[in-house]
Parts: sequence; structure tokens; C-alpha cells
Amino acid sequence: QSVLTQPPSASGTPGQRVTISCSGSRSNIGNNPVNWFQQLPGTAPKLLIYSNNERPSGVPDRFSGSKSGTSASLAISGLQSEDEADYYCAAWDGSLNGAVFGGGTQVTVL
Amino acid sequence: EVQLVESGGGLVQPGGSLRLSCAASGFTFSSYWMHWVRQAPGKGLEWVANIKEDGSENYYVDSVKGRFTISRDNAKNSLYLQMNSLRAEDTAVYYCGRALFSSGSEWGQGTLVTVSS
Repeated sequence: QSVLTQPPSASGTPGQRVTISCSGSRSNIGNNPVNWFQQLPGTAPKLLIYSNNERPSGVPDRFSGSKSGTSASLAISGLQSEDEADYYCAAWDGSLNGAVFGGGTQVTVL
Repeated sequence: EVQLVESGGGLVQPGGSLRLSCAASGFTFSSYWMHWVRQAPGKGLEWVANIKEDGSENYYVDSVKGRFTISRDNAKNSLYLQMNSLRAEDTAVYYCGRALFSSGSEWGQGTLVTVSS
């Protein structure tokens, strides 16, 4: 059971907008920035969004993040076939004194 | 080019020990927090431990406290994870990561640790 809760799967057709939710608590999302990672099949994870809504250089602006209270979300606009991957939210947890991840959401492009 | 290359994984019996290494290049290693994150086969990501730039602070996930030790050698641009009293549930790909939650985040390709008799 992960500390952060994500839906196990999400899907959409090319060009659609897909949103992934991430629910936590005051000790993690409520008091710390949320980060999102993308893991393409058979590869290492890659940071997609940091500090709730910032994109590292090279990440397309189709990817956006937001946070409200103890929840966060990742949106993928204009879904493309290369976006098929697992997506994880993560944050520092002040009560556990450690980082916590969501269980991951597998995105399928139909 | 930033490179993080893990090594030291392999097959070990329950109760055994293993030391993972992560060789860093292409950046000033001593300027970054470093992390270990693992992924059991077919499962999600689990943060394991991290260590401050100068090695003066470190944190662990509860399940490895007292068994794993994270360390670094800034002169050798290397990160380590000493794993003792290994259990079947420690079986995973172990990733070395730089600055996990900032724009400078980078990950290695991982090394597989299998704990089995």
C-alpha cells in the first residue's frame, strides 16, 4: 500500500487530454512540493514535473502539474503514442522523514 | 554529459550482504544530495535512502533501517549502499539518483539485486 494514492490506469485516444490524480496527506503533499516521474517501458524513471508545476528543460509543455491541499494532478494534453508509460507522483514526507511515491498509473494510448 | 552507473548487483542468499556502487561523472558530485530508489519486479518505485552533499545527513525508509547503510566518497565521485541481512522482499532493481526532486534530477540505469536461496 503506497502512501500516495494514484489510479492504477488511465487511457485516451491520440490528441485527447488525460489527467492523473495523486492523493496524500498533510505530512507529504500538504506541506511539500509534488513531483512527477515518467517511466517508459524497460527504462529508468525520468523527472517530468518538479515543485508541483515546473518542467525540467526538454519536457514538452503538453505535460502540466497542479496541486491543491493534499492532492495533486498531472495532465497530458494532446496525448501521443510515445506517452504510453507509467507515471508516478512523489513527495517528501515530513512525518516519515523520507520520500514517498504513489503506486503508479499506467497510461495507455488507444 | 551526466552519467550515473550502478554496479554490484547480483544473486545473494537470504541473510547475506551486498554492496552497491554508483559511479558519477559529468557533474560536481559533491554539490548534490544523492538517493537510492528501488523497484521490485513488476511493481512501483520505492525510495530507499538519501545522503547530503557532504555525507553529514542521511535518511532511510523504515523497512531498511538498521540493515542498509548509504555512504559516499566525494573524492571518488561515488555513492554506495551497503545492504546486510537481505530478505526476499529486497529483490529489486536499485537505481542511483541525483537530486531526485529538482530540475537537476538524473537517474542511473539500475542494477538488479535478487535475494533467493
